[in-house]
Amino acid sequence: QVLLVESGGGVVQPGGSLRLSCAASGFSFSRHGMQWVRQAPGKGLEWVAFIQYDGTNTYYADSVKGRFAVSRDNSKSTLYLQMNSLRSEDTAVYYCTKDQATDWQTGDCSDSWGQGTLVTVSS
Amino acid sequence: EIVLTQSPGTLSLSPGERATLFCRASQSVGSSFFGWYQQKPGQAPRLLIYGTASRAAGIPDRFRGSGSGTDFTLTISRLEPEDFAVYYCQQYGSSHLAFGQGTKLEIK
Repeated sequence: QVLLVESGGGVVQPGGSLRLSCAASGFSFSRHGMQWVRQAPGKGLEWVAFIQYDGTNTYYADSVKGRFAVSRDNSKSTLYLQMNSLRSEDTAVYYCTKDQATDWQTGDCSDSWGQGTLVTVSS
Repeated sequence: EIVLTQSPGTLSLSPGERATLFCRASQSVGSSFFGWYQQKPGQAPRLLIYGTASRAAGIPDRFRGSGSGTDFTLTISRLEPEDFAVYYCQQYGSSHLAFGQGTKLEIK
C-alpha cells in the first residue's frame, strides 16, 4: 500500500532555512508527479509546489516562489522541499502528496497524502 | 491564477439529510481537472472525487460530483455521522493548482 512519511519539520527563526523530506513506498515513485501542500493552524489547504515524475518541471505558488525549492531522488524514492528565507506566515503543517496520474507533465489530483510535518517559524 | 470560491462557509444539517456544496472558479476549468477532498480533524485530507464526477477508490456512492466550466457541485445524498467534516474543492488544470477555502459540514 502507498505510504508517504514526511520528516524534517521543527521550529526555526524568521529568515532561517529548513529541509523537508518525504519517504515514499508502495508505488512506482519515478512515474508519479509529487506535490507539497500546506495548512496553517486552523486554516485551509494551500498548494505549495509540484515536481514532475522525472524532475524535469517544477511549479510553485507565488507565495513561496524564489524561496522554496522542490526536488526528488527517484533512486531513493524521496521527495524534498528546501525552504529558505522563512517567514512567520510559512508556519503550517506540510503534506507530501502523490499525483494520481502517471508520466504527466503538470500536477494532478492527490490520491495519497502523508501525515504531515509541522513547521513553526518563530523567534 | 485560478481562484476557487466555496459556498457556504458552514453548512449545518442532520444525519439523513442531503448536503449540497458549491465551488465557483474565477475562470473555466476543464472537467477532467477538478476534484473534491474531505478532511476530518487531526487527519490528512482524502480524495473523494476527481475528474468532476469520478469517485476515488473506496468512496461510497452517496457522494456525487457534478458541474462544468466555472461551477461545480458536491452532493452527499444521505448524510452519515462520519460525513461531518471540512470539504475542499481543487482545480489541477493549470501549472498553478489551487484549493477552495473549504466548507465545514457540521451536525445541526
